[in-house]
Amino acid sequence: AQSVTQLGSHVSVSEGALVLLRCNYSSSVPPYLFWYVQYPNQGLQLLLKYTTGATLVKGINGFEAEFKKSETSFHLTKPSAHMSDAAEYFCAVSDRRGVYGGATNKLIFGTGTLLAVQP
Amino acid sequence: NAGVTQTPKFQVLKTGQSMTLQCAQDMNHNSMYWYRQDPGMGLRLIYYSASEGTTDKGEVPNGYNVSRLNKREFSLRLESAAPSQTSVYFCASRPEGVSNQPQHFGDGTRLSIL
Repeated sequence: AQSVTQLGSHVSVSEGALVLLRCNYSSSVPPYLFWYVQYPNQGLQLLLKYTTGATLVKGINGFEAEFKKSETSFHLTKPSAHMSDAAEYFCAVSDRRGVYGGATNKLIFGTGTLLAVQP
Repeated sequence: NAGVTQTPKFQVLKTGQSMTLQCAQDMNHNSMYWYRQDPGMGLRLIYYSASEGTTDKGEVPNGYNVSRLNKREFSLRLESAAPSQTSVYFCASRPEGVSNQPQHFGDGTRLSIL
């Protein structure tokens, strides 16, 4: 069964500092991987995704993530934090098989990391 | 661009009352999902519908029922609300096809059961 672990339920950084949010997954086959962001009182918005190809994926708002198969990780980074980055971030995995292969198209979410940015 | 629309945005119920949460998407997506979000637990799948006319249980289906009314609409019903169902409920949709497509989320329904 697939699972996702996000280390650190709360992360605090100073404005301008590096942001690193950790995500490790467990899957019998390399999955598709996603990072979502949730601002207060809003739904989830896709930041970036990894499916195939280049393992370093760039997303919106200056975020990027690197898929490391050997470490079963998909950590999210941003070189310089901005106050507007304060939000909750969720890592998620999806079954790689296509719909004709019996995939349920379900996402398994981590428990989330709340990012605080200090002035 | 409405995307995924959920109604209502907020609701307070008494224990034992029933309620239907509505969800509609205008992106012609085949698959739709209902999640609940609780502090420290991320999002957990309640039910999903891979296509019009089909529904399946997710991780936490007990106490809920769903209806895929048509391709656009997917409703979630609480027949007899319990305090443990106090949560934020999110509806999502995604296009048909292989599972590398992201899900699109509504803004949520915040439900309190007293």
